[in-house]
Amino acid sequence: EADIYQTPRYLVIGTGKKITLECSQTMGHDKMYWYQQDPGMELHLIHYSYGVNSTEKGDLSSESTVSRIRTEHFPLTLESARPSHTSQYLCASSATGEAVTEAFFGQGTRLTVV
Amino acid sequence: GQQLNQSPQSMFIQEGEDVSMNCTSSSIFNTWLWYKQDPGEGPVLLIALYKAGELTSNGRLTAQFGITRKDSFLNISASIPSDVGIYFCAGQYGNKLVFGAGTILRVKS
Repeated sequence: EADIYQTPRYLVIGTGKKITLECSQTMGHDKMYWYQQDPGMELHLIHYSYGVNSTEKGDLSSESTVSRIRTEHFPLTLESARPSHTSQYLCASSATGEAVTEAFFGQGTRLTVV
Repeated sequence: GQQLNQSPQSMFIQEGEDVSMNCTSSSIFNTWLWYKQDPGEGPVLLIALYKAGELTSNGRLTAQFGITRKDSFLNISASIPSDVGIYFCAGQYGNKLVFGAGTILRVKS
């Protein structure tokens, strides 16, 4: 069983609010990822990190930002939420090394901006 | 960026039937992964494939890494109601994973 946790599971907030989605893993993985997924649709990579103090933008442009101050923690922040940010956000992590690339996912945060 | 074409988009099958889905790409991938996502949950890894031509089974699931490294298929034998969900293929390039659009599996009991 994967040890990667996301909080909150569900969040409904008003437009203009600042929010932070939390993601923590206890597997010691160096690589962490954030994906955005609309209902029943594919996953789009929006941010990833290879390790502490390393963050990169993903394939899908996003107004969110991320930080990686500790190995186990990879929070995602929206400075001013808008209805277009309504989606499910999935965090994942994987071990370093070419041979081990399985990504383990958290349960996701379903965000609704009203 | 890299793109994966996954098909079919969705399917209804009779319980007990076998299911097949596949992913293709114009690019070469080093690793192919198959995930299943239940409603309201994150994807869970089913099978990982690391070598061209590799055929791997996990219970009623069988997946193969295409010889050209540009495709992969997943078979589910003797489907049951709990097989319902979305199945995603994913390919590794560099340090990133790119996902297909998913195949929605619905089983008629």
